[in-house]
Amino acid sequence: GEQVEQRPPHLSVPEGDSAVIICTYTDSATAYFYWYKQEPGAGLQLLMSVFSNVDRKEEQGLTVLLNKKDKQLSLNLTAAHPGDSAVYFCAVSGTNAYKVIFGKGTHLHVLP
Amino acid sequence: EAAVTQSPRNKVAVTGGKVTLSCNQTNNHNNMYWYRQDTGHGLRLIHYSYGAGSTEKGDIPDGYKASRPSQENFSLILELATPSQTSVYFCASGGLGVNYAEQFFGPGTRLTVL
Repeated sequence: GEQVEQRPPHLSVPEGDSAVIICTYTDSATAYFYWYKQEPGAGLQLLMSVFSNVDRKEEQGLTVLLNKKDKQLSLNLTAAHPGDSAVYFCAVSGTNAYKVIFGKGTHLHVLP
Repeated sequence: EAAVTQSPRNKVAVTGGKVTLSCNQTNNHNNMYWYRQDTGHGLRLIHYSYGAGSTEKGDIPDGYKASRPSQENFSLILELATPSQTSVYFCASGGLGVNYAEQFFGPGTRLTVL
């Protein structure tokens, strides 16, 4: 079945720098891609959804790139600030919407 | 106003006891999900539902039951709780319109089984 690998598991960046998180998936039929943010003691908050017909999406300082050839999804936080410190998860889904596979998360720490 | 709520937020149970975790959503979503989150495993799907009266097994259903009595409510039931079920449990809802695979999460329930 579908597998998702997320890297790095931990990431520290100075305030103002960019942070990049990458996920690799295995099923070429994967159609839907998501990024979630989890703050301490809270549930996952949906940041962005991307469908397979989109290569790049930008919203509010976040850039998602989808490379279908390499089966790779990335999240770029430009000019990170301490409020971005959290755990970030990628997730993918195929035609079966009930089956969403999550990456294991990246702990991002933005240093003031 | 929170659209997915869970109760209780924290629970301590004894081994062999019955535990019920409750979830309520006001998103009018058809689909609801129960996950557990453990260090090193990420999120794992326990049960899901695609409407009132339906429950389906996810990836790790053993030791858990689910109940969906209405569109808004989805419960996770541990009939005989075990220490291995100590975890953080998340409920999510989704399944509306073109973004039907998006999921919206509750704040989680921290369960400790002694």
